Formats: sequence, C-alpha cells, structure tokens
Amino acid sequence: GQNIDQPTEMTATEGAIVQINCTYQTSGFNGLFWYQQHAGEAPTFLSYNVLDGLEEKGRFSSFLSRSKGYSYLLLKELQMKDSASYLCAVRDNTDKLIFGTGTRLQVFP
Amino acid sequence: GAVVSQHPSRVICKSGTSVKIECRSLDFQATTMFWYRQFPKQSLMLMATSNEGSKATYEQGVEKDKFLINHASLTLSTLTVTSAHPEDSSFYICSARRFWEEQYFGPGTRLTVT
Repeated sequence: GQNIDQPTEMTATEGAIVQINCTYQTSGFNGLFWYQQHAGEAPTFLSYNVLDGLEEKGRFSSFLSRSKGYSYLLLKELQMKDSASYLCAVRDNTDKLIFGTGTRLQVFP
Repeated sequence: GAVVSQHPSRVICKSGTSVKIECRSLDFQATTMFWYRQFPKQSLMLMATSNEGSKATYEQGVEKDKFLINHASLTLSTLTVTSAHPEDSSFYICSARRFWEEQYFGPGTRLTVT
C-alpha cells in the first residue's frame, strides 16, 4: 500500500531552524514534493526532489534519500508567516501525487 | 507561473441538490487535471484523475455516479456533486498539469451542504 508519514504538529520560535521529516513507502517513485498550505487555502509548491541530495531555495531546503525512503524540509530564519501546514507528497509510478497527512507548524515570537 | 482558478470559492446548498465546481487553467493547456477533497485537519485525498477528452479515473471508494467529472477542453474541468448530503461538505481542490511538469493547484472550493 501507499504510506507517507509526517509528524502531526511541530512548534518553533521565530528566527530558529526547523526540520520536518517525511518517510514514504509507495508504489514506485517519480519525485517528492513539498507544499505549504495555510488554513482554508490551496497548497503552494515549495520544492521538488527526484535525485538524492539537498535542494536549496532561499530559506527553504529539501533533502531526499531514495534508498531510505526519507525526505526532510528545512526552514531557516523562521518567520511568523511560516506558521502553516507542510505537506509531503510523492508521485508514484501511476503518475499520481500521494499526499502525507501534513505537519502543522506553529511559529511563536 | 501557471495559474489555476476555481469557481465558486464557496457554495452552500441544500441536501439533495447538485453543485457544479469549475476548474480552469488560465495560462496553459492542462493535459491532466486532478480533483482532491480535504476534510478539516486532514490531508488531500485524491478523488479522480481526468485527461482531456477521456473518462475520468476514480480512486477506490469514490462513487463515480455521485461525483461527475467532465474534462471537455484542455483548460476546463468540472466536478458535479450530485444529490449532495451533509457528509459531502468539504474543501474541494483541483490541480492541473501539463505533461510531466509539476501540478498547479487551484484556490479550492468550500462546499457546505445543509
């Protein structure tokens, strides 16, 4: 079956660094995506990994290890506006995007 | 970047009626469109995948006669919730993709069935 696991909730302080982990077991693998979703809004694209390693984009970085079925999203210099849900999603071998349950991040001043 | 719109953004309907939700790719032609449903504090659950000009492929457990999907053109897909019931109240999100590019999500439609 398809399984994507993320922590349900995390908290962090403004200015700090937080790492959100994602482990997956899916029918095939054609890339891993991270999305940010604010309450009541649609997800917005953050990053895409298809090869092992780290992809850096400003304050956000995403890491992938295909052999371990593992990814993380790293957020640096946290801001209050980063309080949101972060969704890990894997594109499987049928071309579908399978979403994890999401991690709700709260940033405190 | 690519823009996907949904209409309406919010809709309230009475139990037993049908509701149509439109999803449009505004500045690109979408070869594939996806429909998701999201209940409060849960993640997105894929309902169906539609390719322009062909029948939608529904996920297991999704009733195709209840959730009618039409993908008549490369820029428009519609989801019709027929004979809606309160348990169909949810946040419906569409996404569109051109070939193997990333999926672009619409802003979502909040459906409330009273």
